[in-house]
Amino acid sequence: GAVVSQHPSRVICKSGTSVKIECRSLDFQATTMFWYRQFPKQSLMLMATSNEGSKATYEQGVEKDKFLINHASLTLSTLTVTSAHPEDSSFYICSASHPGQPHSYEQYFGPGTRLTVT
Amino acid sequence: DAKTTQPPSMDCAEGRAANLPCNHSTISGNEYVYWYRQIHSQGPQYIIHGLKNNETNEMASLIITEDRKSSTLILPHATLRDTAVYYCIAGLMDSSYKLIFGSGTRLLVRP
Repeated sequence: GAVVSQHPSRVICKSGTSVKIECRSLDFQATTMFWYRQFPKQSLMLMATSNEGSKATYEQGVEKDKFLINHASLTLSTLTVTSAHPEDSSFYICSASHPGQPHSYEQYFGPGTRLTVT
Repeated sequence: DAKTTQPPSMDCAEGRAANLPCNHSTISGNEYVYWYRQIHSQGPQYIIHGLKNNETNEMASLIITEDRKSSTLILPHATLRDTAVYYCIAGLMDSSYKLIFGSGTRLLVRP
């Protein structure tokens, strides 16, 4: 089956620094990837939709200058949290769809990245 | 996008069937019902989807009412590994369609 990986799985950074999270589709090409954020005991909140070769589409209330998304290839999307603050501490999850396949309606999720900002 | 409503929590005994309900009374004619689950601290996993017919796969069965206003996910023989949060989502069958997660149902399978 299709596999999506994320790196790193956990990261701790100091307040004011930037952190980059990578999302890779390992065995398929993903024209569309999604980024979610999840706070403890809460549901997933969609942050943005990332399309290969074009600008990401951000959900209402998500600061695009703070959460930079780059989808430079069909297998890689990155999320950079700029000038991180403790309130950005969260579980970040990406997903990818596999168009053109029999199960193209299914989204494949990465294992998530836990960000802690101190 | 149609809103879905699920009970916040349920439990069942290991080996018994787990029946998870979902209300989606505003679902439109071309929206499917998708089910995903999230085991603690992992990414969500696709379970099953359907439009109006009942569906079954190796993981679960999906029963959709005739008026499509509600559905039930059935795990026929729940195991401890099925303990997770289950999300019912109404959406289009489109690989670029964004999934909007509700609060889900936290299922606890008891030994």
